[in-house]
Amino acid sequence: GAVVSQHPSWVICKSGTSVKIECRSLDFQATTMFWYRQFPKQSLMLMATSNEGSKATYEQGVEKDKFLINHASLTLSTLTVTSAHPEDSSFYICSGLLSGTDTQYFGPGTRLTVL
Amino acid sequence: GENVEQHPSTLSVQEGDSAVIKCTYSDSASNYFPWYKQELGKGPQLIIDIRSNVGEKKDQRIAVTLNKTAKHFSLHITETQPEDSAVYFCAASSSGSARQLTFGSGTQLTVLP
Repeated sequence: GAVVSQHPSWVICKSGTSVKIECRSLDFQATTMFWYRQFPKQSLMLMATSNEGSKATYEQGVEKDKFLINHASLTLSTLTVTSAHPEDSSFYICSGLLSGTDTQYFGPGTRLTVL
Repeated sequence: GENVEQHPSTLSVQEGDSAVIKCTYSDSASNYFPWYKQELGKGPQLIIDIRSNVGEKKDQRIAVTLNKTAKHFSLHITETQPEDSAVYFCAASSSGSARQLTFGSGTQLTVLP
């Protein structure tokens, strides 16, 4: 199957700081990438859809100025959590859509803890 | 929008027994139904998927069935093994939704040795 990586795998930061998470499709091109957030013992909630070279589309209730998404290439999308607060602590997971298919391949996730 | 319901939320089976997880969806335009396995602290892993033009798909010990009329689909795992223990998520998407997945709430499967 196609491989997606995320970096970092975990991060701890102080309240008010910004954190950037990278999502890379290693062996395929992903014109579309998705960002999800998952709280403990809950399902995945879609935050935004990112298309290469264009602005991301955010789901209702997700602040676009707080969660900045950049999809500058066919293999890289980044999520920046700006002015992070403890309530932003969560497991952030990205996925890449294999071009020409319905299939999303997920990264291993990034555990964000905001103190 | 799409709504996917999944049950049971927890399922315990003896090693070697079968496990069945069921999902229903609401949007008749949905035409792609993947199943993901998520182990603790990891990202979801695609284990099998089915498209609306077929009713059943099998891959070794794993099978998925789809009933478009009733809008439900199921995951069947036979001869379960302890390493099958994980959280399983069903999902649905359609071409009209930019291939966005709507996930079910998940099933914690525990296979007892």
